[in-house]
Amino acid sequence: EPEVTQTPSHQVTQMGQEVILRCVPISNHLYFYWYRQILGQKVEFLVSFYNNEISEKSEIFDDQFSVERPDGSNFTLKIRSTKLEDSAMYFCASSDWLALTSTDTQYFGPGTRLTVL
Amino acid sequence: GQQLNQSPQSMFIQEGEDVSMNCTSSSIFNTWLWYKQDPGEGPVLLIALYKAGELTSNGRLTAQFGITRKDSFLNISASIPSDVGIYFCAVTSGGYQKVTFGTGTKLQVIP
Repeated sequence: EPEVTQTPSHQVTQMGQEVILRCVPISNHLYFYWYRQILGQKVEFLVSFYNNEISEKSEIFDDQFSVERPDGSNFTLKIRSTKLEDSAMYFCASSDWLALTSTDTQYFGPGTRLTVL
Repeated sequence: GQQLNQSPQSMFIQEGEDVSMNCTSSSIFNTWLWYKQDPGEGPVLLIALYKAGELTSNGRLTAQFGITRKDSFLNISASIPSDVGIYFCAVTSGGYQKVTFGTGTKLQVIP
């Protein structure tokens, strides 16, 4: 069964450093998302992306964050200057909405655990 | 932002028992979802509900979309140890819209 993959599974970085989290969405999907989950808390929406532009973003997704689809398969989240409070699990998701057989469902990857020291 | 109130926050049950958890919202949504998250994993969709009043089953799981479109419940029958995890209700306005998650119910099953 097709699945969303994410790399790395765990990223440790120093405060102030830039990090790039990578995702490979399911191949025929058109909508892509990033969510984050601070330890012990609920999953929170960050940003959605369609047709090479941001569709919606939350208040968490400030100027330090950016997303990109650099090629036909990858979807990345960049944090320019990490802060301690950026430590969290980051989940990528994709959806096949608009496809003829769409189930309107978002499929989540296994996550990248980001630790900012 | 939108708040989903999920209860209970956690529960311990004996293997074989039935479990019920619910979720309420102050706003109306077109789609209610139930996800399960295992430790160190991403959320996995269990059941999606698209119509008010709809009752849907997936194996031992049954979920209902409330008539008012502001609530939903999830039942698990005859629990087994692998049911352990965190269950999240979630809502979306449909289509490509973002998913908003509830606060989660942590389920522990005692063999």
